Amino acid sequence: SQTIHQWPATLVQPVGSPLSLECTVEGTSNPNLYWYRQAAGRGLQLLFYSVGIGQISSEVPQNLSASRPQDRQFILSSKKLLLSDSGFYLCAWRDRHNQPQHFGDGTRLSIL
Amino acid sequence: AQTVTQSQPEMSVQEAETVTLSCTYDTSESDYYLFWYKQPPSRQMILVIRQEAYKQQNATENRFSVNFQKAAKSFSLKISDSQLGDAAMYFCAYSPGANSKLTFGKGITLSVRP
Repeated sequence: SQTIHQWPATLVQPVGSPLSLECTVEGTSNPNLYWYRQAAGRGLQLLFYSVGIGQISSEVPQNLSASRPQDRQFILSSKKLLLSDSGFYLCAWRDRHNQPQHFGDGTRLSIL
Repeated sequence: AQTVTQSQPEMSVQEAETVTLSCTYDTSESDYYLFWYKQPPSRQMILVIRQEAYKQQNATENRFSVNFQKAAKSFSLKISDSQLGDAAMYFCAYSPGANSKLTFGKGITLSVRP
């Protein structure tokens, strides 16, 4: 069966520091991968999605970037974090057959 | 652009009773998918139910069912025999058939009274 792993679960970082959140999927190949952010008490905002290795689409201009170095690995990065980057970040995947998206457990990011 | 609207920020239901959560959406597509996701305090996003727009029959998953009104662009979730574990935020989401980007509503917080 397919599983999605996302880490770390919680992260506290100072303003201006770099960021790297990792997401991996097991049990499937060539999935679509997604990064979402959820601000406190709000819905999910799609940040990036990828349909294949090295293929990244950005949905909103921001301080973050994404990369897909391997088929089942999706990384969310920043060179310098801002206070506004605080939030709950969720990775998701789906296969190619119009199946629903499945989410990781999320990373709670706090910027000090 | 597609939009998803959940106009009720909060709802409360008595345990064992039935509750309906509302959702409307806007799209110019004729074929698409609609979803309800549940987010308990643990913050996991759990798929509750999904509906394909080309299917006229309303989807059902155990105690969860939807009322899909395509012409009205309405997609409500009915929870029967509510349980304490149903307390969570519920998000309505839309996905066009051609690609898989999800557009989420703002969510509704459901509390269940014992």
